[in-house]
Amino acid sequence: GAGVSQTPSNKVTEKGKYVELRCDPISGHTALYWYRQSLGQGPEFLIYFQGTGAADDSGLPNDRFFAVRPEGSVSTLKIQRTERGDSAVYLCASSTVPGPYFSEQFFGPGTRLTVL
Amino acid sequence: EDKVVQSPLSLVVHEGDTVTLNCSYEVTNFRSLLWYKQEKKAPTFLFMLTSSGIEKKSGRLSSILDKKELFSILNITATQTGDSAIYLCAVNRDDKIIFGKGTRLHILP
Repeated sequence: GAGVSQTPSNKVTEKGKYVELRCDPISGHTALYWYRQSLGQGPEFLIYFQGTGAADDSGLPNDRFFAVRPEGSVSTLKIQRTERGDSAVYLCASSTVPGPYFSEQFFGPGTRLTVL
Repeated sequence: EDKVVQSPLSLVVHEGDTVTLNCSYEVTNFRSLLWYKQEKKAPTFLFMLTSSGIEKKSGRLSSILDKKELFSILNITATQTGDSAIYLCAVNRDDKIIFGKGTRLHILP
């Protein structure tokens, strides 16, 4: 079935490098979310897109993190000058109805980022 | 500050036992409470609760919300080894979902 897909599944990089993480949402889902999950923690909200625009980016930890969704479908999370503390599983989710009117968020398998 | 607190953080029981997982919250602009099961990477949706006192059931799983006391419980009866997972509680507020740290449940055969 055509669920949410994320690539790569694993990414190992060195401190200071730039990485891009990709999310392909379910076709037709207008809302797309990025979360970060560190070991022993629940997913932490990063950013939410409604269509092409970032409706809420208040969860991005600092200006090294940036995300785009230029055509309202695929999204890329970009991390500059990676730090060891960025190591985590980055989860993407999509849903049909955006914002406060909840509809089920379908999660992708995540990208495990390891910064050495 | 918004928070979602789950307890216990981990739980080990024998197959066939009944477990109760707890979730308390302090969140502004509460809209709904959600339960997810996370086995490997992707959380999968279990329940959404919006009204107090109305139990949601799915097979051996059930959940209820108390909006006055700001908590929810997730019950699993006749546990099976396949129930071993992290169970995440989350609260939907505005356009964000705030997750708790999860309860790691391990079912011994």
